[in-house]
Amino acid sequence: GDSVTQMEGPVTLSEEAFLTINCTYTATGYPSLFWYVQYPGEGLQLLLKATKADDKGSNKGFEATYRKETTSFHLEKGSVQVSDSAVYFCALKEQEGGNTPLVFGKGTRLSVIA
Amino acid sequence: NAGVTQTPKFQVLKTGQSMTLQCAQDMNHEYMSWYRQDPGMGLRLIHYSVGAGITDQGEVPNGYNVSRSTTEDFPLRLLSAAPSQTSVYFCASSYSITGAANYGYTFGSGTRLTVV
Repeated sequence: GDSVTQMEGPVTLSEEAFLTINCTYTATGYPSLFWYVQYPGEGLQLLLKATKADDKGSNKGFEATYRKETTSFHLEKGSVQVSDSAVYFCALKEQEGGNTPLVFGKGTRLSVIA
Repeated sequence: NAGVTQTPKFQVLKTGQSMTLQCAQDMNHEYMSWYRQDPGMGLRLIHYSVGAGITDQGEVPNGYNVSRSTTEDFPLRLLSAAPSQTSVYFCASSYSITGAANYGYTFGSGTRLTVV
């Protein structure tokens, strides 16, 4: 079945450092890819998405590019802030998957220190 | 525009008690689902519904019941609470299960449940 694998956390960075959170996927069909963010004590919020190969999703300084050849959707940010401290989830949804729900990775906790 | 509303935000139950976690959305979404989030386990799907009157089991359905009598509401019932059900529960919705490929899910803010 479909699956999403994220890098293990926690990830601890200093403010203004470069961030990469790796995400790779396995899918039987053609998936849409998502990154969600969960701030402390809150629900998940959609951060960005991409629905076809080579598309780049971007939001709030975060970017991720849909790489079909490497089945990856790595999340990047050039300069992190303390306010980016959160848990980040990578997810996929088959575009022709009928009633199959979104498949989530286990999440990566990011801590940014001043 | 309230989005997805979950109540209560916090709850403590004794083993064997029953309760209902409420989830309501005002976006006319057909698809609704319940997840539990446990440390190191990510999100696990409990039950989902693709429309009023239709429900199906997810990855971890045991000990939970759902029904979908209206488009707006999707309550999750714990029949006889156990300590293993201590978790944070999230409700999520989408315009449709197939539409989720374009739009993803909208999540509620969660219910933190402790069973003692």
